[in-house]
Amino acid sequence: SAVISQKPSRDICQRGTSLTIQCQVDSQVTMMFWYRQQPGQSLTLIATANQGSEATYESGFVIDKFPISRPNLTFSTLTVSNMSPEDSSIYLCSVGRDSNTEAFFGQGTRLTVV
Amino acid sequence: AQTVTQSQPEMSVQEAETVTLSCTYDTSESDYYLFWYKQPPSRQMILVIRQEAYKQQNATENRFSVNFQKAAKSFSLKISDSQLGDAAMYFCALGSGTYKYIFGTGTRLKVLA
Repeated sequence: SAVISQKPSRDICQRGTSLTIQCQVDSQVTMMFWYRQQPGQSLTLIATANQGSEATYESGFVIDKFPISRPNLTFSTLTVSNMSPEDSSIYLCSVGRDSNTEAFFGQGTRLTVV
Repeated sequence: AQTVTQSQPEMSVQEAETVTLSCTYDTSESDYYLFWYKQPPSRQMILVIRQEAYKQQNATENRFSVNFQKAAKSFSLKISDSQLGDAAMYFCALGSGTYKYIFGTGTRLKVLA
């Protein structure tokens, strides 16, 4: 398994500002992902965090809005930029290690934009 | 495109009874995995059970079992002897070996004492 620490667990932010969410894993992992879960809805993949290169974004998500860093195999950050109330969601970090195991999730960051 | 459909937004079950949550999916991949995750109010996504598509035998984990119908692209979760702690959102997910999961919309399970 993998132990994932996500910070902050929650935050309330002013519109127009940015928030950086951190994801720390207790061991090296191959794959790291960021998901968004809007209120009462399912999880939607934002991007794959690639170690040493630019993140790979899913349709509807762009780097200017959600810049991602992954400096090593145990750590990644997601920034939500120029926030609006529509960005109020839970953001979850997910990791995978081997091809035959399931993905593990952090406890999520609940973001409220006012 | 891959899709996952959960047609039951909410289900209720009496404590100690059995409940089945439905999930259908669509994929053109021949090698894929299916998962049921539980999300309690703590927001932590917890893996309940997984099924490899190439395995014909249905997966079981203690009180949790699945009915995997590959031809029908159906993957239902059965919870036996329901407990109060089973109350949560349950998400069905489809993956094709890259951990990029497609999630269903979820089913909220209520367990009645």
